[in-house]
Amino acid sequence: DVKVTQSSRYLVKRTGEKVFLECVQDMDHENMFWYRQDPGLGLRLIYFSYDVKMKEKGDIPEGYSVSREKKERFSLILESASTNQTSMYLCASRGSGAYEQYFGPGTRLTVT
Amino acid sequence: ILNVEQSPQSLHVQEGDSTNFTCSFPSSNFYALHWYRWETAKSPEALFVMTLNGDEKKKGRISATLNTKEGYSYLYIKGSQPEDSATYLCAVENYGGSQGNLIFGKGTKLSVKP
Repeated sequence: DVKVTQSSRYLVKRTGEKVFLECVQDMDHENMFWYRQDPGLGLRLIYFSYDVKMKEKGDIPEGYSVSREKKERFSLILESASTNQTSMYLCASRGSGAYEQYFGPGTRLTVT
Repeated sequence: ILNVEQSPQSLHVQEGDSTNFTCSFPSSNFYALHWYRWETAKSPEALFVMTLNGDEKKKGRISATLNTKEGYSYLYIKGSQPEDSATYLCAVENYGGSQGNLIFGKGTKLSVKP
């Protein structure tokens, strides 16, 4: 079974803090994704990566950056957390040429 | 930006009822449609991926159909059970987009009462 894990299920941070959300997948997938999910909205793509050290902006990249130094790990970075970044963050991975995306369990981030 | 619409937003049914919900999307440049089930406190789980017009897929009591010409997909649940309670997400992938980029609808939240 594909496994996508995220470093924390719940996280509380203060405004202005630098926040790292980590995602690890164990299936050697080339493609990895970060989404956020807010009430009344669908999952929205923040950033994705199709290879090590490669990254592309999704629909809502403002206020975020990412890092992919190893194939299995994709990090989402909030350079200076703000209250409007309080959300559920989901990581996903997908093999090259495959259809399915596999999701992690999510990190619920609260910025106070 | 591609717009994926799901209806209804939420649904409450009794155990044993059959139910269905809809996903609508622009039909131009269509590549694939995904259905996911997302239970509370769990990861979204892939149910179906469909690519061809007229596709029908089935997994146990759950089935889905796809009409790419008119831009819609139906998800059916036969004889709903309390364990079917979840949010059902539809996502569409287009030609010309970066590989694997899914545009998600807002989901349909299903509650099944015993």
